[in-house]
Amino acid sequence: GQQLNQSPQSMFIQEGEDVSMNCTSSSIFNTWLWYKQDPGEGPVLLIALYKAGELTSNGRLTAQFGITRKDSFLNISASIPSDVGIYFCAGLGGSQGNLIFGKGTKLSVKP
Amino acid sequence: NAGVMQNPRHLVRRRGQEARLRCSPMKGHSHVYWYRQLPEEGLKFMVYLQKENIIDESGMPKERFSAEFPKEGPSILRIQQVVRGDSAAYFCASSPTPPGQQTDTQYFGPGTRLTVL
Repeated sequence: GQQLNQSPQSMFIQEGEDVSMNCTSSSIFNTWLWYKQDPGEGPVLLIALYKAGELTSNGRLTAQFGITRKDSFLNISASIPSDVGIYFCAGLGGSQGNLIFGKGTKLSVKP
Repeated sequence: NAGVMQNPRHLVRRRGQEARLRCSPMKGHSHVYWYRQLPEEGLKFMVYLQKENIIDESGMPKERFSAEFPKEGPSILRIQQVVRGDSAAYFCASSPTPPGQQTDTQYFGPGTRLTVL
């Protein structure tokens, strides 16, 4: 079945540093979504990517949809303590409606 | 605009009991998805429903699990005769568009955390 490989698994950074995480897949996806999940809560949509090569920003977050449609990255600039959480990438394969999730990147930010 | 609502947020059941999880999609959304999340894992797809129809249940266990999305009221995920391995967080997501649309997106509820004793 389809799988997403997300890395790194966890990151420990200092406040103010930039962060980068990525997802790769052996399958093509038509849509890439990036979510953030806080403990005890549901995933919150951060950025949606719909076109190969697309680069989209949302405040301090920037994400790109790889040109091959098999990868995506998420960058967070100038991290702050509230960026702490687990970040998930998820791919949508077209007519099949279910999201395929990566295993998440756990981000810890030291003030 | 209210987001996706799920209740209860926490549910404790003893082995052999039934668990009923409810999901109300965002207003105007007629596509509902259920996912299960184990600790330290990503979410895994279970079932996709439109109003009154199950479209894709390929991720749902064949036994003890069922889902519905009636014409009126919330979507229900039902787990009969629960076992300890059913303990997990169950999330519902809704979408305004059917799969394959250019701007397909799913919005998640806060989840129901099921604990089976």
